[in-house]
Amino acid sequence: AQKITQTQPGMFVQEKEAVTLDCTYDTSDPSYGLFWYKQPSSGEMIFLIYQGSYDQQNATEGRYSLNFQKARKSANLVISASQLGDSAMYFCAMREGPGSARQLTFGSGTQLTVLP
Amino acid sequence: EAQVTQNPRYLITVTGKKLTVTCSQNMNHEYMSWYRQDPGLGLRQIYYSMNVEVTDKGDVPEGYKVSRKEKRNFPLILESPSPNQTSLYFCASRLSGGKKLFFGSGTQLSVL
Repeated sequence: AQKITQTQPGMFVQEKEAVTLDCTYDTSDPSYGLFWYKQPSSGEMIFLIYQGSYDQQNATEGRYSLNFQKARKSANLVISASQLGDSAMYFCAMREGPGSARQLTFGSGTQLTVLP
Repeated sequence: EAQVTQNPRYLITVTGKKLTVTCSQNMNHEYMSWYRQDPGLGLRQIYYSMNVEVTDKGDVPEGYKVSRKEKRNFPLILESPSPNQTSLYFCASRLSGGKKLFFGSGTQLSVL
């Protein structure tokens, strides 16, 4: 079974609007971390936001927030006030367990296009 | 500047010709890792290293080798590249107990 599922291969949003990118995950480990990375056309991977499974509040970083719904196993990324520079591929990822050897498992990504 | 440096950025080679992609980090990170990115599949881990002389397989290790003789360097070796190894490769590192994974700029490899 897929551990990280991103069901939106592509999304469009109008500049200045908010957009939600979906991510669901599958784990039986009570301790895990969820990440979002941005990959612009230049190819580098840029860390955006992190949510720990025991964190009581939803993570926020500037215009990025993570809508964490633990019971539904979803960790959607919300980008407020979209900008043209937000056009990129976005990856959701999970690390299971507290051990330091744990790898990041990535979803297949969502290509976001911000329209002027 | 804290960074993970990969070289080369682009590489075109032919089947069977051994190659090495270098990776170096200047953040004194214990953990280093290699991923490959393919369309529709996201990033998949090839190998990782917990510290010097400690390496282990990820999800897709076949056809790859790594070594970790020094803390800062973690080269990826393709002894006999094949066309199915054409991919975008990323090196990444973090502190042993750290959350955030720092990525290199990527190496686009084409095997003809």
